[in-house]
Amino acid sequence: QSELTQPPSVSGAPGQRVTISCTGSNSNIGAGYDVHWFQQLPGTAPKLLIYANNNRPSGVPDRFSGSKSATSASLAITGLQTEDEADYYCQSYDSSLSGYYIFGTGTKVTVL
Amino acid sequence: QVQLQESGPGLVKPSQTLSLTCIVSGASSSSDRYFWSWIRQPAGKGLEWIGRIYSSGITHYNPSLKSRVTISIDTSKNQFSLKLSSVTVADTAVYYCARVVEPDVSSSPTFDIWGQGTRVTVSS
Repeated sequence: QSELTQPPSVSGAPGQRVTISCTGSNSNIGAGYDVHWFQQLPGTAPKLLIYANNNRPSGVPDRFSGSKSATSASLAITGLQTEDEADYYCQSYDSSLSGYYIFGTGTKVTVL
Repeated sequence: QVQLQESGPGLVKPSQTLSLTCIVSGASSSSDRYFWSWIRQPAGKGLEWIGRIYSSGITHYNPSLKSRVTISIDTSKNQFSLKLSSVTVADTAVYYCARVVEPDVSSSPTFDIWGQGTRVTVSS
């Protein structure tokens, strides 16, 4: 099966900007399917953070933003805060085989 | 406020069938606006989509699990269920139920509401 590749970890000091990449292929992101992002705090269920590439659900701070280009996408966190320390996953759809929802490998964000 | 709650045995023996139920509250599982899905996460690892079901009963499964998965829905009880057969230790994970939504008219589907998850261990 296809995979969405993310860096295992990124880190930054409070107030800094960090970005997380999500690299796919022509059967998922490159095929035009949207990318969504989830935040998973320790011991909790994932929470939808960004939908359809660059849209924030109600209640998500505007410090979080997303973008998509060709076969990849990115999540940016500006003004990093201690409460942003969590795992982040991208998600899309893959049209190979009979089609399936696909998640990224996950990135641990550490606030230094 | 829409809530999902998973329930089921926390321990399953190898080769047996794992059975979980997700109770939907604050929304109707018979709505034609949503799909309902199962997702799992082994300890310390990433998320894996298992499958989804529509209110009509139409299902779509992850090709890697398709031969062992059955998802069903009971709209009268506002719940949907997962059965995973012939389990092995590799099926040990936290299992989440989630609502699938198309956020905008032209958007690809995603998961906007999640249950808290239930841990299932496969062990003899």
